[in-house]
Amino acid sequence: QQQVKQSPQSLIVQKGGISIINCAYENTAFDYFPWYQQFPGKGPALLIAIRPDVSEKKEGRFTISFNKSAKQFSLHIMDSQPGDSATYFCAAKLGGSARQLTFGSGTQLTVLP
Amino acid sequence: NAGVTQTPKFQVLKTGQSMTLQCAQDMNHEYMSWYRQDPGMGLRLIHYSVGAGITDQGEVPNGYNVSRSTTEDFPLRLLSAAPSQTSVYFCASSYSGGGYNEKLFFGSGTQLSVL
Repeated sequence: QQQVKQSPQSLIVQKGGISIINCAYENTAFDYFPWYQQFPGKGPALLIAIRPDVSEKKEGRFTISFNKSAKQFSLHIMDSQPGDSATYFCAAKLGGSARQLTFGSGTQLTVLP
Repeated sequence: NAGVTQTPKFQVLKTGQSMTLQCAQDMNHEYMSWYRQDPGMGLRLIHYSVGAGITDQGEVPNGYNVSRSTTEDFPLRLLSAAPSQTSVYFCASSYSGGGYNEKLFFGSGTQLSVL
């Protein structure tokens, strides 16, 4: 079963628009939430990440919003560009000695010129 | 600096054949892992290792075997390939697992088809 649920599966946005991808989790033991970006034919790469003691983190046009009580977090891409077209994965990591990341199912974003 | 290198990039197998997917990293990372990527399923962890001589199972370990004899290498073995193992496989490494303020470095993937 998917411990991190991601939506939508695909998203089409016009250039200059806002792209929003949502993730939800059940396990309150997760304590770290990164987002990875994957271009076709490449491996995923870390984009931005947040810890649950922070409600928002912004890096350039990319923002993570985190709602601890709702157990949800989302990625917002402002002023979306065709070069942002990629697959985006949210992920979560258990606290303590756990090492591995649990990934969501991915969202394929297409930004139209 | 090569990062994480996976070979081969593409492979076609017949059902029942065995093969090894190679993964090597040159960043002296303790943590290495294997994921498979399937449409609509995201990245699912197969096996991981927190150091030479130490391996553990992930979410979908059945049909796969790993070993970690050196810090650099983490091969993934398919014991008897099945069509359900058709997927894109990614190897990833980091100092301690991709936690807070730490990147998980991925290879470029191996696309495997089992006929």
